[in-house]
Amino acid sequence: QKEVEQNSGPLSVPEGAIASLNCTYSDRGSQSFFWYRQYSGKSPELIMSIYSNGDKEDGRFTAQLNKASQYVSLLIRDSQPSDSATYLCAVKVWGGSNFGNEKLTFGTGTRLTIIP
Amino acid sequence: DVKVTQSSRYLVKRTGEKVFLECVQDMDHENMFWYRQDPGLGLRLIYFSYDVKMKEKGDIPEGYSVSREKKERFSLILESASTNQTSMYLCASSLSGADTQYFGPGTRLTVL
Repeated sequence: QKEVEQNSGPLSVPEGAIASLNCTYSDRGSQSFFWYRQYSGKSPELIMSIYSNGDKEDGRFTAQLNKASQYVSLLIRDSQPSDSATYLCAVKVWGGSNFGNEKLTFGTGTRLTIIP
Repeated sequence: DVKVTQSSRYLVKRTGEKVFLECVQDMDHENMFWYRQDPGLGLRLIYFSYDVKMKEKGDIPEGYSVSREKKERFSLILESASTNQTSMYLCASSLSGADTQYFGPGTRLTVL
């Protein structure tokens, strides 16, 4: 079983609708969770981080975390064509050592296309 | 503004060549990382460094080595390039204890 799993998509959503991206992780020791956005031909950039169960909102983006079910999701409201990208879920696990804690494990990404 | 630069955007090398990929960050970050990104496999960590001259193996270190002689510079070395090392290589950096990793633009390496 992969440590961090995402549906590879592609996920197509009409402009103005809500896009829902999901991610599951296998290690119950996971502490911190991140969503990166990667445009085609570009490098990933962080858009959201979440550490506690529940929802975290930032503009049109909402991250949701459920540690009991081991999933984290990203909702994008009022989807825009500029949201078309690959979204990477990343997880930081408590590695038991200071330096191991600096590592992230990434999912394979979900490709999102917003249809005008 | 945060900036991570990589020496080349595109690189073509022959099998058996020694390849150096350079990464420089100007944020005085302690941590630096090398990933490779392949379709269907996502981002995989090769090596990371938490201080000058210090390094830790990531998930796929075989066939690679690294060097960090200065805080701002982290080099990835392919001692003898092979065709299965054709990939997009991404460098990233972060402050110690911080969560946000900042990525460079990537180097697309092709080994013929």
